[in-house]
Amino acid sequence: GQQLNQSPQSMFIQEGEDVSMNCTSSSIFNTWLWYKQDPGEGPVLLIALYKAGELTSNGRLTAQFGITRKDSFLNISASIPSDVGIYFCAGQPMYSGGGADGLTFGKGTHLIIQP
Amino acid sequence: EPEVTQTPSHQVTQMGQEVILRCVPISNHLYFYWYRQILGQKVEFLVSFYNNEISEKSEIFDDQFSVERPDGSNFTLKIRSTKLEDSAMYFCASSALLAGSYNEQFFGPGTRLTVL
Repeated sequence: GQQLNQSPQSMFIQEGEDVSMNCTSSSIFNTWLWYKQDPGEGPVLLIALYKAGELTSNGRLTAQFGITRKDSFLNISASIPSDVGIYFCAGQPMYSGGGADGLTFGKGTHLIIQP
Repeated sequence: EPEVTQTPSHQVTQMGQEVILRCVPISNHLYFYWYRQILGQKVEFLVSFYNNEISEKSEIFDDQFSVERPDGSNFTLKIRSTKLEDSAMYFCASSALLAGSYNEQFFGPGTRLTVL
């Protein structure tokens, strides 16, 4: 099946620093989504991207849909303690039929913030 | 704000027993999904459901799994004969039938299934 390569696997940063993580795929995706998961909870949708080159912000979060449709990045500016968690990229391949198809998830980036 | 709800939050069962996991999707959503997440691993797609039938299923979703929308609000996942390797968090998700946003899947808090 489809594989998403997400990096880095984990990040140890100081509060206030900016964060950047990315996902790549060997095949074209028509949708990229970024989720955050806290321990013991379900993934929470942060940003959805639908067009190649699209750059979307949600507060301190910014994500972009790569021009090749095979990658996406997520940036977090001025990190705060509540940003701690696991960030997952997820996508829907170009060949898929659309709305009712499952998402393929990356393996996640663990963000740890040191005060 | 509307949200997906799931019950129970934790289910413990013996190997070989049947379990039913329940979900109430967001009320105006028409697409429903089940995913699972083995501890420490990524989220994996199981099945999607639309218009009272399965739309897509993964290799994980074999004959021991089934889904049902028994009424206008609930969406269930049944595992007929649980195996040890079925131990995982199971997430229900739903999405709306809106152009350009139908891939925005909203997840519930999950049911932790422990098979002994």
